[in-house]
Amino acid sequence: SQKIEQNSEALNIQEGKTATLTCNYTNYSPAYLQWYRQDPGRGPVFLLLIRENEKEKRKERLKVTFDTTLKQSLFHITASQPADSATYLCALTNNAGNMLTFGGGTRLMVKP
Amino acid sequence: DGGITQSPKYLFRKEGQNVTLSCEQNLNHDAMYWYRQDPGQGLRLIYYSQIVNDFQKGDIAEGYSVSREKKESFPLTVTSAQKNPTAFYLCASSIRTGSYEQYFGPGTRLTVT
Repeated sequence: SQKIEQNSEALNIQEGKTATLTCNYTNYSPAYLQWYRQDPGRGPVFLLLIRENEKEKRKERLKVTFDTTLKQSLFHITASQPADSATYLCALTNNAGNMLTFGGGTRLMVKP
Repeated sequence: DGGITQSPKYLFRKEGQNVTLSCEQNLNHDAMYWYRQDPGQGLRLIYYSQIVNDFQKGDIAEGYSVSREKKESFPLTVTSAQKNPTAFYLCASSIRTGSYEQYFGPGTRLTVT
């Protein structure tokens, strides 16, 4: 069956460190993978999209990698700040290519 | 101000009643979506629409209905047939379906007792 797995346990890190979140998938062949941020009680906000032929993508303090052989994406936040505390969701296109499927999200807590 | 709006923010209903959640966008997007989110979980797709007068079932459509009579509007009705309707409901839109980034509304928290 198709699965998207993100670590359901919260990730706690110290301010200034790099946070690394993982998204693993099985039985998908996505051409694109996206990352979203969600704050409590609010809708997700789009952060980054990476294509299957891109190994890495950066945006300010964010970096995403996409390894289609390992079926894994890594999401990095460098020089993390308490304001980065949120839940981060990965999403990828289904095999029909007509909709996104979301992972369960990983909660990040950055402590000052 | 471009964006996507949902109303109301909080909604309370008695069991056995149908309830309609509103979703409006002024982004000129063709595609719209409804998701359900339960505590500590990810988003599950209820229905999506690629264009006006068209909509398709998502992964958990049972007990829900939608309409898409206007490009800007995609209301969701939670019927009495939905066994566990209490949840956080999110509406989203994108330029088209597929890999395009989705813009989300603020959500409606529905509580049915």
